[in-house]
Amino acid sequence: SAVISQKPSRDICQRGTSLTIQCQVDSQVTMMFWYRQQPGQSLTLIATANQGSEATYESGFVIDKFPISRPNLTFSTLTVSNMSPEDSSIYLCSVARRGGEQYFGPGTRLTVT
Amino acid sequence: ILNVEQSPQSLHVQEGDSTNFTCSFPSSNFYALHWYRWETAKSPEALFVMTLNGDEKKKGRISATLNTKEGYSYLYIKGSQPEDSATYLCAFGNQGGKLIFGQGTELSVKP
Repeated sequence: SAVISQKPSRDICQRGTSLTIQCQVDSQVTMMFWYRQQPGQSLTLIATANQGSEATYESGFVIDKFPISRPNLTFSTLTVSNMSPEDSSIYLCSVARRGGEQYFGPGTRLTVT
Repeated sequence: ILNVEQSPQSLHVQEGDSTNFTCSFPSSNFYALHWYRWETAKSPEALFVMTLNGDEKKKGRISATLNTKEGYSYLYIKGSQPEDSATYLCAFGNQGGKLIFGQGTELSVKP
C-alpha cells in the first residue's frame, strides 16, 4: 500500500483567488494522478503528473486553470487558478502500484464563495 | 465517451441484510475493473482489482464477480453491518493507470 497525505484538508476561498493543494507520498512512485469530485458527480481524472515532464491533462482540463508540479518522485502540487463556485469540489491525488491498485489521499474539500 | 454506470444510486438496509450492487462498463478494450469503498472524510479504500473474465474475489464479508464479455461486475456484502455504510465506487481502468469512475452506490446500514 501507500500512505498519502494532502494539504490542506479543506478550505473556503473567494472567487478569483487561487489555491495550491499538496500531495505527499511515503515512497517513490512514477505516476501520480489528480482527480476531482464535484457535488453529485463521479470522481473525474484531471491529469496525470509524471516526474520530469509536463502533466498530461484530460479533455476539459487545461494547464492554465490547473497547473501541476511534480518536482520529485514523492510530491506533487495541483493549483486551482482563478476560482469560481463551479470549482467547489473534493480534490484527490492518487498513485498507482504494480498489480494495478491505486491508492488515494484523503482529499481536499474546497468551497469557493 | 466511455461510460461507467452503477446501480442503485443509494440503498438503505437493516443490519444483517445481504446486499449487492451493479457496475456496468464497456465490454470492448477491457483492462481492469476496480472497486473502492469511500467513507466521508476518508481516503477511498481499494477493495478489489479484477482483470479476468469470471474472476471472483473475496475480502471478509465482501465479494465481487466480473463478466467482461457482457460488461458488468457485481459487489456483494453478506450480513451488512453499520460500519459497512459508505459509498461504493467502481472504476474502469486502462493500462496507463487512468480510472473512469461510476457515480457510486451510497449504502446506509441501520442497526
